Amino acid sequence: NAGVTQTPKFRILKIGQSMTLQCTQDMNHNYMYWYRQDPGMGLKLIYYSVGAGITDKGEVPNGYNVSRSTTEDFPLRLELAAPSQTSVYFCASSYSGTESYEQYFGPGTRLTVT
Amino acid sequence: GQNIDQPTEMTATEGAIVQINCTYQTSGFNGLFWYQQHAGEAPTFLSYNVLDGLEEKGRFSSFLSRSKGYSYLLLKELQMKDSASYLCACMDSNYQLIWGAGTKLIIKP
Repeated sequence: NAGVTQTPKFRILKIGQSMTLQCTQDMNHNYMYWYRQDPGMGLKLIYYSVGAGITDKGEVPNGYNVSRSTTEDFPLRLELAAPSQTSVYFCASSYSGTESYEQYFGPGTRLTVT
Repeated sequence: GQNIDQPTEMTATEGAIVQINCTYQTSGFNGLFWYQQHAGEAPTFLSYNVLDGLEEKGRFSSFLSRSKGYSYLLLKELQMKDSASYLCACMDSNYQLIWGAGTKLIIKP
């Protein structure tokens, strides 16, 4: 199993540009999440999904959109990049059928908006 | 409001024991997690506590007191590879994780 994979690993965007961060998991997990992590701060939940076709906002959803057309994929879309979106983005997945609710993380995407 | 507090940084010596504390206030509680995060890498799961008491897993142990809103992570026989950030996170009533800012642990030889 590859686990959770994310692409790209690094990206530099100009203000106003758009991009999609890709996330794929091969563990058949029903739950998927997008977080951002700023230096010295805790992870903040952007969006999450409890299954294909179902998404919901987290703590910091403004400026982002998501879709979940399949169990495996959960892309994050930035429509009009702003410097405040400079951060490290992590995708994670978990299976609701376990008792531990452990989340498995992808390697992250380091995004700079200038 | 929801809040997770943990020290920003701690220093310990190789071979010693260190305890990293975490206090929390959340809307509802469905368990407390500890994750390890090496610099530039993703968080990896260490432990999950939902009942009061101590859970031991090799060199790492995690303790929870729900009445006090308190947890700690205990690391024994410290190794240089344990230098990392340790993240405390609580699962709230919506089964979402609320994360602390992390404790950077520096191990000195």
